[in-house]
Amino acid sequence: GEDVEQSLFLSVREGDSSVINCTYTDSSSTYLYWYKQEPGAGLQLLTYIFSNMDMKQDQRLTVLLNKKDKHLSLRIADTQTGDSAIYFCAESLYNFNKFYFGSGTKLNVKP
Amino acid sequence: EAGVTQFPSHSVIEKGQTVTLRCDPISGHDNLYWYRRVMGKEIKFLLHFVKESKQDESGMPNNRFLAERTGGTYSTLKVQPAELEDSGVYFCASSPGTGATYEQYFGPGTRLTVT
Repeated sequence: GEDVEQSLFLSVREGDSSVINCTYTDSSSTYLYWYKQEPGAGLQLLTYIFSNMDMKQDQRLTVLLNKKDKHLSLRIADTQTGDSAIYFCAESLYNFNKFYFGSGTKLNVKP
Repeated sequence: EAGVTQFPSHSVIEKGQTVTLRCDPISGHDNLYWYRRVMGKEIKFLLHFVKESKQDESGMPNNRFLAERTGGTYSTLKVQPAELEDSGVYFCASSPGTGATYEQYFGPGTRLTVT
């Protein structure tokens, strides 16, 4: 099956940039997603990128996609304590019928 | 517009008992998905409904799990009898039948604890 890998933890200081990385195995991915899960809450779609794009920027969020290396990253500029959460990388294939998720990266932002 | 809702938010049952989880998708969404996250691992796909029909149930772990979506609106996921390894967070998601089908909207999840 498809594998999506993420590092488990990341700790940064408030105001620094955070970079969360993800690798995937299936080259037929159509869309790649970043979801955020705050404590006690559900999954919130942060952003997504179509597989024929290299980069997408949305306010403090920058998504970089390296299709050759099957590597996706999420950069959060000026990280705030409110960004502390678990971030999940996910991919969908051509039919969008199921998403393949990673294990999530727990981001801890220290004041 | 109301989002995807799930009930209950948390359920604690003993091994061997039965539990039924409910998901109400966003109104008008034909696609409904169930996912599960076990013990801090990845979120895994369980199954996909298109309206009332099961489109893909390849992720269902075994025949102790039964999902239904009568009438094509809300869905239930029954676990009978529950085992310890069924503990985890069960997420439901929905997406429209046409248009932006690439976005799945997730509910808050039901945390199931089997003791």
